[in-house]
Amino acid sequence: AQTVTQSQPEMSVQEAETVTLSCTYDTSESNYYLFWYKQPPSRQMILVIRQEAYKQQNATENRFSVNFQKAAKSFSLKISDSQLGDTAMYFCAFTDGTNAGKSTFGDGTTLTVKP
Amino acid sequence: DTGVSQDPRHKITKRGQNVTFRCDPISEHNRLYWYRQTLGQGPEFLTYFQNEAQLEKSRLLSDRFSAERPKGSFSTLEIQRTEQGDSAMYLCASSFRARNTEAFFGQGTRLTVV
Repeated sequence: AQTVTQSQPEMSVQEAETVTLSCTYDTSESNYYLFWYKQPPSRQMILVIRQEAYKQQNATENRFSVNFQKAAKSFSLKISDSQLGDTAMYFCAFTDGTNAGKSTFGDGTTLTVKP
Repeated sequence: DTGVSQDPRHKITKRGQNVTFRCDPISEHNRLYWYRQTLGQGPEFLTYFQNEAQLEKSRLLSDRFSAERPKGSFSTLEIQRTEQGDSAMYLCASSFRARNTEAFFGQGTRLTVV
């Protein structure tokens, strides 16, 4: 069974600064996907960024980028130029290569962006 | 299409009562998932459907829980004889099998059992 661990329950960052959220996972699979989802207060969860395990290049989406270390089973999220709208709970999730919707989630990191 | 829709958004029920939640996925999505999320934790997978077939159920899904997806469109999740431990957010998500990229989540149904 896969496990996903987010070791930072809460984090805060000043507006316009950079913050990194950590995630480690454990799996014996070779083909898998990793996701970061954002869940704003009382709003639905949305995908922030996605990484295929077979790709060595780290994924980037505008201000969001990942540091994917496959051997270390580490998948951190970097948010650059933090904005107030980034305040949310962030979940790291693992999915095997056959079913993107059936994910194992970490327990989340609550990120607060301070003005 | 406005995305995955869940109804109701909130439900308060007395212990022992039955409750039913509905999920309407994105129309072209053939896979539909149910998750449960308790306070301070990440979502936990409960079950999923491909079209109308229920292909997998988690051990978390006790025999008091049943899910259906008639005609491969909307889905319902029923909890019989609710217990206080059932209080949680129930999330629905959908995806398109041919594009195994991500799941799209609804806003969830928050259940409180008193």
